[in-house]
Amino acid sequence: AQSVTQLGSHVSVSEGALVLLRCNYSSSVPPYLFWYVQYPNQGLQLLLKYTSAATLVKGINGFEAEFKKSETSFHLTKPSAHMSDAAEYFCAVSETGGTSYGKLTFGQGTILTVHP
Amino acid sequence: NAGVTQTPKFQVLKTGQSMTLQCAQDMNHEYMSWYRQDPGMGLRLIHYSVGAGITDQGEVPNGYNVSRSTTEDFPLRLLSAAPSQTSVYFCASSLYTTDTQYFGPGTRLTVL
Repeated sequence: AQSVTQLGSHVSVSEGALVLLRCNYSSSVPPYLFWYVQYPNQGLQLLLKYTSAATLVKGINGFEAEFKKSETSFHLTKPSAHMSDAAEYFCAVSETGGTSYGKLTFGQGTILTVHP
Repeated sequence: NAGVTQTPKFQVLKTGQSMTLQCAQDMNHEYMSWYRQDPGMGLRLIHYSVGAGITDQGEVPNGYNVSRSTTEDFPLRLLSAAPSQTSVYFCASSLYTTDTQYFGPGTRLTVL
């Protein structure tokens, strides 16, 4: 069975500061990992994904994430926060085999607030 | 391409009523799925389909039915609405099972 834990339901940063959103997963087979962003009253939009190629993945809007197998983590970072980054962020895992093949399991979400 | 479309955007039901949430995609995607989003719980998979005529249950299927008669459409039926089904519902599609899923704008459902 697969699961995702996002540490911190709310993260607050100042504009220009580093953004770090934490995600840990469990999976019985090599996973695919995703970060999605949700702006208020909208659907989810893909930020980036890991599919077993390079462990450092670059996404849209300056975000990146690093897959660390030994730590079962896939933390999302951005060097300098913008006001427009304020949104809710979801980490998700998809197994590449077994009974959960292809099913996306989401973390609980982290609301990012950016202060001027 | 319109992408993934959902109707209606908002709906209020009384307990015991039934309704169908519509979902359509124009990207010729084989995989489609329904999720519900509740505060603090992320998104949870209700039902999914890997192609026309094939559906299966997700994590929280009770009280919901689906069918997939065409590649484009994947409606979600609430058989007898309950207040516990108050939620935001998202439909998603992807080219194949493990590919990136594209989400619709959501349907906000309130059951009184």
